Amino acid sequence: SAVISQKPSRDICQRGTSLTIQCQVDSQVTMMFWYRQQPGQSLTLIATANQGSEATYESGFVIDKFPISRPNLTFSTLTVSNMSPEDSSIYLCSVTRLAGVNEQFFGPGTRLTVL
Amino acid sequence: GEDVEQSLFLSVREGDSSVINCTYTDSSSTYLYWYKQEPGAGLQLLTYIFSNMDMKQDQRLTVLLNKKDKHLSLRIADTQTGDSAIYFCAERGNAGNMLTFGGGTRLMVKP
Repeated sequence: SAVISQKPSRDICQRGTSLTIQCQVDSQVTMMFWYRQQPGQSLTLIATANQGSEATYESGFVIDKFPISRPNLTFSTLTVSNMSPEDSSIYLCSVTRLAGVNEQFFGPGTRLTVL
Repeated sequence: GEDVEQSLFLSVREGDSSVINCTYTDSSSTYLYWYKQEPGAGLQLLTYIFSNMDMKQDQRLTVLLNKKDKHLSLRIADTQTGDSAIYFCAERGNAGNMLTFGGGTRLMVKP
C-alpha cells in the first residue's frame, strides 16, 4: 500500500480566509485525487490532480475556489479559497500507483472547520 | 450521475456475522470496493472485487457480487467490537479511476 500524509491534520479558520492542504506520498504515484467529506456525509470527488497541467474538476467544483497543484509524482496541494462555514469538511487525498491499477488508497484527511 | 446506495445503520452482537449491503446503478462498473472509516480517521481499503467475479474471501471478510441485480455485500464473520466503524462501498466505472461512494453504513457491535 501507499503511505500518504496530509498537513495540516485539522484546522479552524475564519470566514474569508484560505487554507492550503498538502498531500505527500512515500513513492511515485500516477493518479492523485482530492475528495471532500462533509459532516455525516459520504465522499465526493473534487478533482483529479494532474502533474504538470491543470487539474480536472468535477461538476460543481471550480478552480478559483479549489486551486490544485501537483508539481511532481509524490506531492499535491489543495487550496480552499475564500472560505465559508459551508466549506467545513474533511478533505482527503487519494492515490493510485499506476493508471488502471485497482487499489486506491486514502490519506488520513484534513478536518477543516470554518467559523 | 451514477448512484450508490447503502443502508445507514447496522447493529450486531459480538461474535455474530455482519452483512452490509450496497446497490449501485452503473452497469459499466469495473471494480467495487469496501472501505472502513473509524472515528476521526481516514479511509482504510478493506477489499475490492472485479466485476466479473461473484465472490471474494479474505480472512473474516466475504464479498458477494450480484452483477445482474447490481448488488454488493460485505460479510464480516465473528464480528468484534473493533469492527465498529462506518463502512463505505464504492464503484469504479470504465472511464478512469474515479470512485463513486455510497453514503456509508455505520456498524455498531455490542459486547
